[in-house]
Amino acid sequence: ETGVTQTPRHLVMGMTNKKSLKCEQHLGHNAMYWYKQSAKKPLELMFVYNFKEQTENNSVPSRFSPECPNSSHLFLHLHTLQPEDSALYLCASSQTQRESWREQYFGPGTRLTVT
Amino acid sequence: SQQGEEDPQALSIQEGENATMNCSYKTSINNLQWYRQNSGRGLVHLILIRSNEREKHSGRLRVTLDTSKKSSSLLITASRAADTASYFCATAGDSGGSNYKLTFGKGTLLTVNP
Repeated sequence: ETGVTQTPRHLVMGMTNKKSLKCEQHLGHNAMYWYKQSAKKPLELMFVYNFKEQTENNSVPSRFSPECPNSSHLFLHLHTLQPEDSALYLCASSQTQRESWREQYFGPGTRLTVT
Repeated sequence: SQQGEEDPQALSIQEGENATMNCSYKTSINNLQWYRQNSGRGLVHLILIRSNEREKHSGRLRVTLDTSKKSSSLLITASRAADTASYFCATAGDSGGSNYKLTFGKGTLLTVNP
């Protein structure tokens, strides 16, 4: 893909499970993002990290917990999800957060199904 | 909201034809970007046009921007079956600290028939 990898690519979990999504970027970027993509809805920004610091939480429910141990890795910890959380979760990175003139590079996404 | 909104929602053409997709937005922007997404995959950046630019080309892609009408168009010339994908416009605002946010539309699903 584009230097941003995500694992797993597919995940099926029950509402009481705990799982984590992983994102890694090999581009030397300093900003990383989590997006949620649901059918027939615009891409929704969830979280932003810049130089490992969380700078944006877009009113995301606490059952989604992000973690950014360094500028190259981003996790999304999931617990007690709801069926409506089923979606494609996309990770992206960019050079830095503040330079909107730069493009974002996306990973292939994790297709999450909550049963 | 500065959300981009693409039009049409779906477009089906024959290989070799040109495809035009439009994007409208609501507030002033720093730049507008177009992305492509193949089914169930990540988005791939195609082209960025700044608010002081009116037209930009990249290979078979031509993007125009009319800030007075708050609209942009993406033209793909001589389309190929491999161009089949969803196309999204994304706007980056010019309002101070929100600059970094990209706001995406719902996308246009382009199908190019061989």
